Amino acid sequence: KNEVEQSPQNLTAQEGEFITINCSYSVGISALHWLQQHPGGGIVSLFMLSSGKKKHGRLIATINIQEKHSSLHITASHPRDSAVYICAVRSGIQGAQKLVFGQGTRLTINP
Amino acid sequence: DVKVTQSSRYLVKRTGEKVFLECVQDMDHENMFWYRQDPGLGLRLIYFSYDVKMKEKGDIPEGYSVSREKKERFSLILESASTNQTSMYLCASSRQGRRGTQYFGPGTRLLVL
Repeated sequence: KNEVEQSPQNLTAQEGEFITINCSYSVGISALHWLQQHPGGGIVSLFMLSSGKKKHGRLIATINIQEKHSSLHITASHPRDSAVYICAVRSGIQGAQKLVFGQGTRLTINP
Repeated sequence: DVKVTQSSRYLVKRTGEKVFLECVQDMDHENMFWYRQDPGLGLRLIYFSYDVKMKEKGDIPEGYSVSREKKERFSLILESASTNQTSMYLCASSRQGRRGTQYFGPGTRLLVL
């Protein structure tokens, strides 16, 4: 079993829909990251969370430390949101703080 | 604007060739990382470095080595490329400390024939 599990693996929706991507983890963490990868490969960090909730534009990320679960929500989805969304957890190791990644969720928003 | 660059976007090599992938960051970050990304497996850590001349094995170091002679540059070396090393390779860097965000390069898609 992977230490970080994402669901769903693939998600297709219509423009304007509310999107939720889930991430569950089984290890102790110091922080959780949500990353976005567009076709072509570049990865951008969207959020880093250690508790509660963060909002940036139409994107909202929440984390429940007790349940070891995080969600990424996209409101009023748009075709430009089409990308792979990756959850990653930072383990409590000192030094370089390694990340453990989920397998990613491929999101397609149709116009 | 933060920047992590990788020497090539696409690379085609033959089995047995020695391959160098270079990564350069201009943010004076202490930490640098090499990952490979394969369908269904996600990103997996090959090696990381938390200081010049320091390196640590990640989850899948076999068949790879690294070099960090200068703070801004982290090289991944495939001593004798094999077809199972065909993959997307991503470099990242971060500052020291628990809050450091990792910044990723654009990736190098390597094909080993």
